[in-house]
Amino acid sequence: DAMVIQNPRYQVTQFGKPVTLSCSQTLNHNVMYWYQQKSSQAPKLLFHYYDKDFNNEADTPDNFQSRRPNTSFCFLDIRSPGLGDAAMYLCATSRHRFPYEQYFGPGTRLTVT
Amino acid sequence: SQQGEEDPQALSIQEGENATMNCSYKTSINNLQWYRQNSGRGLVHLILIRSNEREKHSGRLRVTLDTSKKSSSLLITASRAADTASYFCATDAEGGSQGNLIFGKGTKLSVKP
Repeated sequence: DAMVIQNPRYQVTQFGKPVTLSCSQTLNHNVMYWYQQKSSQAPKLLFHYYDKDFNNEADTPDNFQSRRPNTSFCFLDIRSPGLGDAAMYLCATSRHRFPYEQYFGPGTRLTVT
Repeated sequence: SQQGEEDPQALSIQEGENATMNCSYKTSINNLQWYRQNSGRGLVHLILIRSNEREKHSGRLRVTLDTSKKSSSLLITASRAADTASYFCATDAEGGSQGNLIFGKGTKLSVKP
């Protein structure tokens, strides 16, 4: 089945230790998104790629970076995780930009110790 | 900044009852979407309603949109225990950056068998 896959599902990292989260899709969608969701809060868009075109949200901290080496894969790099970066990180795809529906992966739960 | 605001924040009902969740937003929109999120999982797209539509149905789901009041409602009829989840509305904003889907905080629905 076509889907959005996120690895790992759970990630524990130490304060200040770089970490990379992975997302892959078999939907062949043009757009890939990364959201941060903290407990009982709304998902917050960090950035998205339309093909190779990177679009960063204005309030996304510089500590967060992303790479999309090909259509199928997208990575979220957190250069120096702080305790406040502990959250669920959701990857999503869509055929084109909004208003198309977005397909979400199961998320990666990041813990920072 | 938050665009959508769901009401109520939490809702507990018995199986078989109807559940109504409301979403209010601040600025003019092109489209509004509803998503479901099971605990600790990614979001699943439920329904999209365009700004020129007033009502839309999908199975046991009914969505209404009142652009004059800047509000939408999601009705789940004949609820089941499996409907237990958080429900989010998500909007774009007219004139906003494309691809920027803004989520509300969600309504946590609990359906008791």
